[in-house]
Amino acid sequence: SQKIEQNSEALNIQEGKTATLTCNYTNYSPAYLQWYRQDPGRGPVFLLLIRENEKEKRKERLKVTFDTTLKQSLFHITASQPADSATYLCALAAMGTGRRALTFGSGTRLQVQP
Amino acid sequence: SAVISQKPSRDICQRGTSLTIQCQVDSQVTMMFWYRQQPGQSLTLIATANQGSEATYESGFVIDKFPISRPNLTFSTLTVSNMSPEDSSIYLCSVGTGNHGYTFGSGTRLTVV
Repeated sequence: SQKIEQNSEALNIQEGKTATLTCNYTNYSPAYLQWYRQDPGRGPVFLLLIRENEKEKRKERLKVTFDTTLKQSLFHITASQPADSATYLCALAAMGTGRRALTFGSGTRLQVQP
Repeated sequence: SAVISQKPSRDICQRGTSLTIQCQVDSQVTMMFWYRQQPGQSLTLIATANQGSEATYESGFVIDKFPISRPNLTFSTLTVSNMSPEDSSIYLCSVGTGNHGYTFGSGTRLTVV
């Protein structure tokens, strides 16, 4: 069956360090992978999308990598700040199935300590 | 990107009753998606709502329990019927075109007592 796993339920780091979150998937052939941020009591907010033919994508302090051989994406936040504390979700939409909805991983709760 | 207005933002309901959640989008969209997020869990897709056709439900979700309306390209409702405490969750609507990011409503926090 198809699975998306975010290995860490929670991650605590010090302000200024780089946070690295992992997303692994099985039995998918994703056209693209997306990362979202979710704050308590709010809906997810889109951060970055990376396509299957892209290795890396950057946006300000965020960087995403996508390895379709390893079936893994890494999400990095450099120079982390307490305001980055939130739950981060990876999501996939499978290619060729006609589905447009996303399937989400379980999320990683990031806490950045000042 | 689209802006979604979702309401109510929260409600406390008696078991056995029904609640209808509304989502209004500021632009026309082909598909709208409804998700459930149970406490401490990630998002699970309930159904995909297309204008002019029946919604497509995911495994474990049925139309009698979660009827959906999609009267036009900017609006959809999800009803949670005959509620039980197990239905206590956050319900979210979403729109997106596939190769761009998806936009979510702010969610409806439902508590069934």
